[in-house]
Amino acid sequence: AQKVTQAQTEISVVEKEDVTLDCVYETRDTTYYLFWYKQPPSGELVFLIRRNSFDEQNEISGRYSWNFQKSTSSFNFTITASQVVDSAVYFCALTRRGGNTGFQKLVFGTGTRLLVSP
Amino acid sequence: DAGVTQSPTHLIKTRGQQVTLRCSPKSGHDTVSWYQQALGQGPQFIFQYYEEEERQRGNFPDRFSGHQFPNYSSELNVNALLLGDSALYLCASSFRFNTDTQYFGPGTRLTVL
Repeated sequence: AQKVTQAQTEISVVEKEDVTLDCVYETRDTTYYLFWYKQPPSGELVFLIRRNSFDEQNEISGRYSWNFQKSTSSFNFTITASQVVDSAVYFCALTRRGGNTGFQKLVFGTGTRLLVSP
Repeated sequence: DAGVTQSPTHLIKTRGQQVTLRCSPKSGHDTVSWYQQALGQGPQFIFQYYEEEERQRGNFPDRFSGHQFPNYSSELNVNALLLGDSALYLCASSFRFNTDTQYFGPGTRLTVL
């Protein structure tokens, strides 16, 4: 069975602080994808990143960076110099690699609420 | 490029009633998935449709049913509503040969009284 754990329920920071959101996953599959989604108060889940299980390179996109470590089954998300607009609930998710071999569902963690104050 | 759209935005029903939620996928997508998100929880997979057939289903009772139309849009139907069905219902779309990345709509907030 697949499982995603986000142990941090809520994090509060002051603007310009760096913050790391933790994600630990469990899967028996050798090929899988990991995701991060952002859910602002409006409710829509906004796709941030997809990482293939074969690609352990860290990725940076502006103020966002992701650290994928298969050895510890973790896929952590860091926001550098946080801003008030970063306030949202962030979800980590996992899926088997599907493509033309099947249809795949996303398994989500319980989310981490990030509050960035001015 | 239109994203995933859902209607209605909000809905209030009473126990025992039936409800239909609607979703139009992102342009170019042909697969639609439905998720239920209870307050303070992560989304839970309900089912997934492709070529007008249910392809995969999560752990939800038969009261939850769906349909996909030839234009790829989809409906989620819930019969005999329970108080516990109150949640945000999210629709996600993807392309058949890249179903790994799903893009979500704004959701429908269902309240059952």
